[in-house]
Amino acid sequence: EMQVVESGGGLVQPGGSLRLSCAASGFSVSSNYMTWVRQAPGRGLEWVSVIYSGGTTYYTDSVEGRFTISRDTSRNILYLQMNSLRAEDTAVYFCARDRSSPGPFKYFYMDVWGRGTTVTVSS
Amino acid sequence: DIQMTQSPSTLSASVGDRVTITCRARESINNWLAWYQHKPGKAPQLLIFEASTLESGVPSRFSGSGSGTEFTLTISSLQPDDFATYYCQQYYSYWTFGQGTKVEIK
Repeated sequence: EMQVVESGGGLVQPGGSLRLSCAASGFSVSSNYMTWVRQAPGRGLEWVSVIYSGGTTYYTDSVEGRFTISRDTSRNILYLQMNSLRAEDTAVYFCARDRSSPGPFKYFYMDVWGRGTTVTVSS
Repeated sequence: DIQMTQSPSTLSASVGDRVTITCRARESINNWLAWYQHKPGKAPQLLIFEASTLESGVPSRFSGSGSGTEFTLTISSLQPDDFATYYCQQYYSYWTFGQGTKVEIK
């Protein structure tokens, strides 16, 4: 069974740092596109970052330059390093595996999700 | 960013009701649209991809339709387990979600 489990959330002061982890089982993190999505309190889902199987990374504008997505192939873990945290980064952070559409056109959507880990940025 | 707009934001319905949720994209996304179900404290669940393809294991009472800029998710006969929040998501250009539709008990 494919599964991802997030960890590493907590309370941090504005300007602080936190590293989230996403442990995968049943599939290889390095062979798949992997994504972080967040949900702020009372808000909907927001895409945060993706890492392609080849290593290319992308970020939503609001976290560009502050967050870094990476992976540990040997441990099969996805990470999100979050620096210079702001109150508006407060959210539940979800890790997800991306799957490509069948057929010749490769577009990716999320098919395996975790339950999330809560990040609270507050003084 | 491709903005996605869902309606309604909240929907009150009874078990057995037919429920329809609409999702509109600000520009054409062909059929690169997914629907997810999310319950508090749980992992979001993929229901439909490519606008109308049912994910394996998802009950057949769920269906999706549309292409271009307008899409719908239909639950043919609402069941107790279906009370949740539903999100559409475009994956044509990066990824953006609709704001969600909460389906609550009437």
